[in-house]
Amino acid sequence: SQKIEQNSEALNIQEGKTATLTCNYTNYSPAYLQWYRQDPGRGPVFLLLIRENEKEKRKERLKVTFDTTLKQSLFHITASQPADSATYLCALDMSGGSYIPTFGRGTSLIVHP
Amino acid sequence: DARVTQTPRDKVTEMGQEVTMRCQPILGHNTVFWYRQTMMQGLELLAYFRNRAPLDDSGMPKDRFSAEMPDATLATLKIQPSEPRDSAVYFCASGSTLNRGQDEQFFGPGTRLTVL
Repeated sequence: SQKIEQNSEALNIQEGKTATLTCNYTNYSPAYLQWYRQDPGRGPVFLLLIRENEKEKRKERLKVTFDTTLKQSLFHITASQPADSATYLCALDMSGGSYIPTFGRGTSLIVHP
Repeated sequence: DARVTQTPRDKVTEMGQEVTMRCQPILGHNTVFWYRQTMMQGLELLAYFRNRAPLDDSGMPKDRFSAEMPDATLATLKIQPSEPRDSAVYFCASGSTLNRGQDEQFFGPGTRLTVL
């Protein structure tokens, strides 16, 4: 069956360091992968999309990589700030192009001042 | 500032009662999703509409859940009868297949449902 894995343990880092979150998937080749941010009590907010033919995508302090051979995406936040503390979800379109994303369970990031 | 709205924000009800959740998607969006989020299962897709037509409701318990889009500005999710295991946060999200650049979904604030 199709599966998306994100580290269930919270990631604790110091302010100013680079945070790296991982999203692994099995048994599928998605056309793209998205990353969302979710704050407590709120809905997820879209951050970035990376397509299968792209190796890397950047947006301000965010960087996403996509390795279709390893079936893995890495999400980096450079110069992290306490305001970056949130849960980060990856989502993949596993519906064969019907635009129906499947979400991972998310990884909590805690940035300490 | 266009955003998805959901009502009610919080709902406490007793087992066996009917629950109706409402969602107003962003004007101009042609896709609507209903999700349920729990600590155990994460974000699960319940139903998906495109141009108001239901395309995927395979994740929804058919015996008690129903989803509809009476018009382009309103989507509803109904549970009848409700059970304690339905307690969760229910999110509505909208998007547009006409903008395939980011394929992003815009989520509402959610409805926190507690069934006693």
